[in-house]
Amino acid sequence: NAGVTQTPKFRVLKTGQSMTLLCAQDMNHEYMYWYRQDPGMGLRLIHYSVGEGTTAKGEVPDGYNVSRLKKQNFLLGLESAAPSQTSVYFCASSSQGGHSDTQYFGPGTRLTVL
Amino acid sequence: AQSVAQPEDQVNVAEGNPLTVKCTYSVSGNPYLFWYVQYPNRGLQFLLKYITGDNLVKGSYGFEAEFNKSQTSFHLKKPSALVSDSALYFCAVRASSNTGKLIFGQGTTLQVKP
Repeated sequence: NAGVTQTPKFRVLKTGQSMTLLCAQDMNHEYMYWYRQDPGMGLRLIHYSVGEGTTAKGEVPDGYNVSRLKKQNFLLGLESAAPSQTSVYFCASSSQGGHSDTQYFGPGTRLTVL
Repeated sequence: AQSVAQPEDQVNVAEGNPLTVKCTYSVSGNPYLFWYVQYPNRGLQFLLKYITGDNLVKGSYGFEAEFNKSQTSFHLKKPSALVSDSALYFCAVRASSNTGKLIFGQGTTLQVKP
């Protein structure tokens, strides 16, 4: 049981390049989330999904797109990377998204945009 | 609007002394509160949560948290700090909607010195 995994662990992009971050979970969770972590700002929600085939915007969605084609996978895409997207990205999942549900986090992807 | 505040950027304690990491929240309706810990270059690990019931919640690694409704606080505590407790700690509150979104504080760095 690997929990939540993320690939890649590190990535350096040039401004304007595109990339996709992959999140996978093996806990059969319905809900999945993408956050970014910046110093002094905690974690901010980018996009989330309440089930296979669904996505919704979070607090800071601009410049990102997501897809949830399979229940276990949640992809985060950057179509044209900008230096402001330099951050650490975390994926999380939870069982049902209810008030008492715990979110479980992946190890993170450190992205640098030059 | 929901929000979480962690008033201290850093907390320094000596090993063996009690520690407290502070958290206050603002949320409409009943709060659902969480503490996570992040070790260097790792993802967030769940420590404990308050949903309802006893105001003192016990969690992993000997940590506990006290919910105080009148002061809208959820402070993290441990009777005797260890050097290995040194990490970044996040408080989070669940939004009142049913989408499972968590709102995070900015984080508090705990430094335990031998």
